[in-house]
Amino acid sequence: QVQLVQSGGAVVQPGWSLRLSCAASGFTLSNYGMHWVRQAPGKGLEWVAVIYSDGKRKYYADSVKGRFTISRDNSDNTLYLQMNSLRAEDSALYYCARDDDTGGNPFDYWGQGTLVTISS
Amino acid sequence: EIVLTQSPATLSVSPGERATLSCRASQSVRSNVAWYQQKPGQAPRLLIYAASTRATGIPVRFSGSGSGTEFTLTISSLQSEDFGVYYCQQYNSWPPITFGQGTRLEMK
Repeated sequence: QVQLVQSGGAVVQPGWSLRLSCAASGFTLSNYGMHWVRQAPGKGLEWVAVIYSDGKRKYYADSVKGRFTISRDNSDNTLYLQMNSLRAEDSALYYCARDDDTGGNPFDYWGQGTLVTISS
Repeated sequence: EIVLTQSPATLSVSPGERATLSCRASQSVRSNVAWYQQKPGQAPRLLIYAASTRATGIPVRFSGSGSGTEFTLTISSLQSEDFGVYYCQQYNSWPPITFGQGTRLEMK
């Protein structure tokens, strides 16, 4: 069955970097678009980034553009989110989610979430 | 950026009753709307996509309707497991993909 297992969340200081991971099983990552979505404590859902199945098209929310990079390792079937120059407002529970097609579609499977806290 | 506005913010309904949740888009998104359910401590779950198509394994008491700028999620007879927060999402014009702010469905 499809599973997305996340890791990498931590408490870090403003300006630091962090890399989140999302290990996929039950399907081939390169056949699907994949997204990152975040949820600040007590708040709603905010889309962060997408990587299309072709691996070339990547899009970001304006709030993270230039600081975050989405990528994947096809050999490991793992999705990543490299987060640089972290700010207090980046504190959130980060979810990876599978696009139900190649990209730009609803999210049919979600990881369990990993918590990122930015604090001095 | 397309803004989705959900109403009401909180809806109190008794088990067995009908619940109707609304989502309005700031411009037309055709039928490219999905609905998600989120329970405390859990990831969101896809309920409806393409405005009215139930996702795999979703009970028939969940139904979606609408197109353009007005969308509705209806739960015909509420069960105890249906309480939580519901989000609409548009995937017509992006980036960014956007979500509504959520409707909290609570037991009356």
